[in-house]
Amino acid sequence: ETGVTQSPTHLIKTRGQQVTLRCSSQSGHNTVSWYQQALGQGPQFIFQYYREEENGRGNFPPRFSGLQFPNYSSELNVNALELDDSALYLCASSPGAQESHTQYFGPGTRLTVL
Amino acid sequence: AQSVTQLDSHVSVSEGTPVLLRCNYSSSYSPSLFWYVQHPNKGLQLLLKYTSAATLVKGINGFEAEFKKSETSFHLTKPSAHMSDAAEYFCVVTPFPYGQNFVFGPGTRLSVLP
Repeated sequence: ETGVTQSPTHLIKTRGQQVTLRCSSQSGHNTVSWYQQALGQGPQFIFQYYREEENGRGNFPPRFSGLQFPNYSSELNVNALELDDSALYLCASSPGAQESHTQYFGPGTRLTVL
Repeated sequence: AQSVTQLDSHVSVSEGTPVLLRCNYSSSYSPSLFWYVQHPNKGLQLLLKYTSAATLVKGINGFEAEFKKSETSFHLTKPSAHMSDAAEYFCVVTPFPYGQNFVFGPGTRLSVLP
């Protein structure tokens, strides 16, 4: 069984640019959540997709957007990058969107904004 | 708003001695609670979860946690620390009785001394 995978592993961008991060969910999972983890902090919820629809959003501006595809893989897009967007971006998949379902995390994408 | 407090930012123990990582939560209902571990440059791994079944939950690698509603606590314990336990530990609460907006605590860094 393949776990959650994310690409790329590392990324360096400059302020104002746009970035797309990708996530492949674990087999059999229809729900993907994205988190931002700044250095030395716990992850913060960005949004969740359930069966291709946004199913909840954290306190992030609209320049953070996402997609989920029919195979349940997902993208996180960030426009107009700011220095504070530098962080580890984590994707997690789960077999459903109920609060008791375990989320399985990928290794993350380290984004550096210069 | 739901929140998680991890009472110690850093805990240091000697190998072979007990581990106690403390977590308190606030929630307007009886939430699901999780403990995740993050080793350096690795993704988040589930240690254990509580979902309103038995209040004493056993997890992987000898860890366990007890849900105490009266104290709004979910402390993580292990009888005997191993060098490989050195990592960052996150307590997580689901703030709503639906959906999966995980709320992470700030984390506790566990150091294990030889």
